[in-house]
Amino acid sequence: GNSVTQMEGPVTLSEEAFLTINCTYTATGYPSLFWYVQYPGEGLQLLLKATKADDKGSNKGFEATYRKETTSFHLEKGSVQVSDSAVYFCALSHYNNNDMRFGAGTRLTVKP
Amino acid sequence: DTEVTQTPKHLVMGMTNKKSLKCEQHMGHRAMYWYKQKAKKPPELMFVYSYEKLSINESVPSRFSPECPNSSLLNLHLHALQPEDSALYLCASSPVTGGQGTQYFGPGTRLTVL
Repeated sequence: GNSVTQMEGPVTLSEEAFLTINCTYTATGYPSLFWYVQYPGEGLQLLLKATKADDKGSNKGFEATYRKETTSFHLEKGSVQVSDSAVYFCALSHYNNNDMRFGAGTRLTVKP
Repeated sequence: DTEVTQTPKHLVMGMTNKKSLKCEQHMGHRAMYWYKQKAKKPPELMFVYSYEKLSINESVPSRFSPECPNSSLLNLHLHALQPEDSALYLCASSPVTGGQGTQYFGPGTRLTVL
């Protein structure tokens, strides 16, 4: 079945450091891929998405590129801020699933 | 506007209580979802409504009873819950039914069962 694997962390970085959170997926065909962010005590917010191969999703300085050849959708940000501290979920949706398939989540802590 | 609202934000209930969670969206989305999220875990699907009809029930105990009174509203009725049901309950909606759509989540209701 369809699934997502992401590095679980936790990840601790200093402010202005470069961030990469790895995400790979297993699915037939071309799923849609997403990154959601969950700040403490809140629901999930859509951070970015990509719906076809080679698409790049971007938002708030975060980027991820849909790589069909490596079945990956790694999240990157060039310079993290303390306010980026949150849990990040990689997810996929597919026509043969009604739910969003989530990775385990990666907790990011950014220290000043 | 991609807003999904949920009320209440927090709920504490005893095991004999009956309560309801409410979710609302005004984006014209025809698919709505209930998820349960335990601490430090990803959300787990509970129910899916497509065009106001229940299409998926992921083997959820009958003490959870969903209801979709109209295309904008989704309720989750709770009765005789157990302490292990304490979790964050998330509602989501999507413009696309049958998968592959973007799901937009509400802020959640944090439920504590005593």
